[in-house]
Amino acid sequence: AQKVTQAQTEISVVEKEDVTLDCVYETRDTTYYLFWYKQPPSGELVFLIRRNSFDEQNEISGRYSWNFQKSTSSFNFTITASQVVDSAVYFCALSEAGTYKYIFGTGTRLKVLA
Amino acid sequence: NAGVTQTPKFQVLKTGQSMTLQCAQDMNHEYMSWYRQDPGMGLRLIHYSVGAGITDQGEVPNGYNVSRSTTEDFPLRLLSAAPSQTSVYFCASSYSNTVSTDTQYFGPGTRLTVL
Repeated sequence: AQKVTQAQTEISVVEKEDVTLDCVYETRDTTYYLFWYKQPPSGELVFLIRRNSFDEQNEISGRYSWNFQKSTSSFNFTITASQVVDSAVYFCALSEAGTYKYIFGTGTRLKVLA
Repeated sequence: NAGVTQTPKFQVLKTGQSMTLQCAQDMNHEYMSWYRQDPGMGLRLIHYSVGAGITDQGEVPNGYNVSRSTTEDFPLRLLSAAPSQTSVYFCASSYSNTVSTDTQYFGPGTRLTVL
């Protein structure tokens, strides 16, 4: 069965700290895709990254980086030098090839304090 | 492009009332879907469509109907609203209906309260 676990319900950090959001997934398929979305206080869902199961290269985009490890079924997201504007709920999602369905985790609320 | 648009932004219904949540996209996306977001539960798929005239059920379809008469529009109908349907509803779309894991882009959401 597909499942996405975001064990951290809420994290608070002080501005400029680094923070890692954890995502652990379960799937029996060998071909799947992983996603991260950001939901700021305004409520919309903003796409951040998409990664397929055959590409284990880590990715960096500015202050954001993602660590994909198939051996531990994890797709963790790190924000370096956090800013108040990073305060949001972050969702990890999984989609198996051919299912037309995303399975979302329950989200991690990140609070960055000035 | 306006992207994915949803109306209304907020809605209050009484139990038993019916209504339609509107969703439209102007990106010529084949795949469209509806999710509901409830506290502590993430987003759950209600219905989806891989093209005009084709719809299918997601994880939590009961109490909702959909149709897809055009590529652009994918309305969600609540036939007889119940308090359990109080939620935030998101519509999403993606370009491809053959690569099922194409990135989905979400609308701004509709906050529905059923009294």
